[in-house]
Amino acid sequence: GNSVTQMEGPVTLSEEAFLTINCTYTATGYPSLFWYVQYPGEGLQLLLKATKADDKGSNKGFEATYRKETTSFHLEKGSVQVSDSAVYFCALTPTGTASKLTFGTGTRLQVTL
Amino acid sequence: EPEVTQTPSHQVTQMGQEVILRCVPISNHLYFYWYRQILGQKVEFLVSFYNNEISEKSEIFDDQFSVERPDGSNFTLKIRSTKLEDSAMYFCASDNREGNTEAFFGQGTRLTVV
Repeated sequence: GNSVTQMEGPVTLSEEAFLTINCTYTATGYPSLFWYVQYPGEGLQLLLKATKADDKGSNKGFEATYRKETTSFHLEKGSVQVSDSAVYFCALTPTGTASKLTFGTGTRLQVTL
Repeated sequence: EPEVTQTPSHQVTQMGQEVILRCVPISNHLYFYWYRQILGQKVEFLVSFYNNEISEKSEIFDDQFSVERPDGSNFTLKIRSTKLEDSAMYFCASDNREGNTEAFFGQGTRLTVV
């Protein structure tokens, strides 16, 4: 079946540090890949997505590239801010729609001054 | 910006009691979902709902669970007889699927069964 594996958290970084949160997946066919973010007290929000191999999703300074050869979708940001503190979830769907998302466990990011 | 809203934000219930978790999806969306996250574990798909019927459900979604769209705006998840292991954060989501691959999530309801 489909599965998503994320690096364990929490991740603690100083402001302006470089961020990488690793995500790998197992799926048949050509899944769509997503990063969702959950800020404290809020719901899950879509951060970025990629629907085919070599696509790069980007938003708010975050990027992730769909790597089919390594079945990965690592999240990166060049310079994090305190406001980026949140839980980040990697997810996939087996088709091009948002139905039945399969999530990773989530990675908590804490950014300090 | 349109949003999915869930009530209550936190529900405490005694084991064996029935609970109803409520969600108001985005008004023009046609597809509705429930997910749950047990503390420290993955967000898991429970059920999807379209055209007034369940379109897909997971193994977790057994006979103790049911969903309903009673009035064209609310989307509810009922747990008939709660167990301790039902304690989790429950997320509602909706999308319109046509040309839009993004699911919009609510802020979640934390259910605590004691």
